[in-house]
Amino acid sequence: GESVGLHLPTLSVQEGDNSIINCAYSNSASDYFIWYKQESGKGPQFIIDIRSNMDKRQGQRVTVLLNKTVKHLSLQIAATQPGDSAVYFCAENTGGFKTIFGAGTRLFVKA
Amino acid sequence: GAVVSQHPSRVICKSGTSVKIECRSLDFQATTMFWYRQFPKKSLMLMATSNEGSKATYEQGVEKDKFLINHASLTLSTLTVTSAHPEDSSFYICSAKGTENTEAFFGQGTRLTVV
Repeated sequence: GESVGLHLPTLSVQEGDNSIINCAYSNSASDYFIWYKQESGKGPQFIIDIRSNMDKRQGQRVTVLLNKTVKHLSLQIAATQPGDSAVYFCAENTGGFKTIFGAGTRLFVKA
Repeated sequence: GAVVSQHPSRVICKSGTSVKIECRSLDFQATTMFWYRQFPKKSLMLMATSNEGSKATYEQGVEKDKFLINHASLTLSTLTVTSAHPEDSSFYICSAKGTENTEAFFGQGTRLTVV
């Protein structure tokens, strides 16, 4: 069936470097994408979203890029900090209420 | 962002008993709430979609008689795990949305351990 998945299960970066987390989605009908951050033992926390009529959106230290041609989504974190260490999920909506999650990438930030 | 409160955060129950988990939207009206299940080091798996005043819609493979969902008001949905068994031990997370195609706000999750 349709799914959202991630290229890299684990990413390790040096503090201060930029991080890039990738996500591939297969449902071409998806029109809304979200990145969530989940810390251990907690629920997911919204980071940033993007709609399918855009290809880039920036937040505070984060940027989401959407490439609909290859069905690819990425999350860029600038100047990664130890507090950014967590599991990051991309998620998609397909014209409705349901939010379907990808597999997740664990980000380790080395001090 | 909006606040979703989930209770309890942890629960341990005996095999064969039932457990109720509550999910409340504290500062907005949630027309739709969702229940997810998450195993260690895995992603969130959608179990069901709960609409206020109507029956929940369950995802394929999720037993509706085992995971009872009630969405009695615009601010409260409950998930009851009936006749719990050790394999039901998991992290259960709810989320809520006010409108379609916006981000969902998540509760802090409930760690269920069935012994």
